Amino acid sequence: ETGVTQSPTHLIKTRGQQVTLRCSSQSGHNTVSWYQQALGQGPQFIFQYYREEENGRGNFPPRFSGLQFPNYSSELNVNALELDDSALYLCASSLGGLAATDTQYFGPGTRLTVL
Amino acid sequence: GENVEQHPSTLSVQEGDSAVIKCTYSDSASNYFPWYKQELGKRPQLIIDIRSNVGEKKDQRIAVTLNKTAKHFSLHITETQPEDSAVYFCAASRGSGGYQKVTFGTGTKLQVIP
Repeated sequence: ETGVTQSPTHLIKTRGQQVTLRCSSQSGHNTVSWYQQALGQGPQFIFQYYREEENGRGNFPPRFSGLQFPNYSSELNVNALELDDSALYLCASSLGGLAATDTQYFGPGTRLTVL
Repeated sequence: GENVEQHPSTLSVQEGDSAVIKCTYSDSASNYFPWYKQELGKRPQLIIDIRSNVGEKKDQRIAVTLNKTAKHFSLHITETQPEDSAVYFCAASRGSGGYQKVTFGTGTKLQVIP
């Protein structure tokens, strides 16, 4: 059984650019949630994908978008980057997004720096 | 929406002593409460969780208690060791319109002094 993986590990972009982050879910998991973790803060929920569809979203603007693929891996896309987007982006996979009591397992994160 | 408050923000204990971290939540529909440990530069790792039909759960030196009436839950670490030093996050989870919404606390930085 493989764990959750993310790529790239680190990324540096400038304001206004676009970025794509990738996540491979744990074997057997069909749900991926994305979080933004600013320095010294807890993870903030961005959105969740279940069976290739976004089925829930937090308080993030539309320039944050995502995809989930048939193998349940996922991408997070951020357009028109702002300085405040600098953070650690975490994905977490779980068995099924419809259950409130599912355990979420995190990937190692992608550290995004926006200059 | 859900609001999770976590205290204290920092905690220093001597090795061998106990550490207690407390969280409160606002949404009575939350029914799953995981705790994560995050070491510097690493991913959050689940250390223990509790579901709303249980009042207490223990796993070796770690225990969690839940009071649904008061909407608070706590993490207890006994016989602390230097490797327990990390940031600990509590979280509250509920089903919301067909998806799982997890809200995290702001974290407690635990330092265990040898």
